[in-house]
Amino acid sequence: AQTVTQSQPEMSVQEAETVTLSCTYDTSESDYYLFWYKQPPSRQMILVIRQEAYKQQNATENRFSVNFQKAAKSFSLKISDSQLGDAAMYFCAYRVETSGSRLTFGEGTQLTVNP
Amino acid sequence: DAGVIQSPRHEVTEMGQEVTLRCKPISGHNSLFWYRQTMMRGLELLIYFNNNVPIDDSGMPEDRFSAKMPNASFSTLKIQPSEPRDSAVYFCASMGREWRDTQYFGPGTRLTVL
Repeated sequence: AQTVTQSQPEMSVQEAETVTLSCTYDTSESDYYLFWYKQPPSRQMILVIRQEAYKQQNATENRFSVNFQKAAKSFSLKISDSQLGDAAMYFCAYRVETSGSRLTFGEGTQLTVNP
Repeated sequence: DAGVIQSPRHEVTEMGQEVTLRCKPISGHNSLFWYRQTMMRGLELLIYFNNNVPIDDSGMPEDRFSAKMPNASFSTLKIQPSEPRDSAVYFCASMGREWRDTQYFGPGTRLTVL
């Protein structure tokens, strides 16, 4: 079975500091996409960043960046200069072509940002 | 663009009643997904449509659940009869024409079945 594992149910960070959220996945496919979604208390699922597996360069979106280790099947999210508005549940997800367009999600990591 | 629109945002009903959740995808998107989020099971795909045709409904829990997409701009998820264990947040998401595109989620419907 193809799975996504987030081993940190909860994380906390001080405002303006950097935090890294972990994610590992299991697939035998070579072509797939990886995503981080953010879910604040409003419940809205917001795309944070995406990574194409065929690209070696790590994706970056402003203060958000990933460390994609394909051989290790690891896809961590780094948030720099953390802000209070970053507090949310973060979900790692992936999609493989052979599974159609379905997203497979991890269990989520609840991030708290302390002022 | 207005994004994915879902209605209602909140629904409280009694066990045994019929519940209908509605979704309007982003204009131009041709894939639509229904997800359910619970504490116990996390986020799970119920069904998805491509060009209005159901492609994978293996996540639909049982016959009490049904989904339709009569046209490119509207989809419904119906539960009949509803049970307390159906209480969850139901998300609709849509995606563009390429499988490499990103799925964009609606705000969700919080369903409570008493």
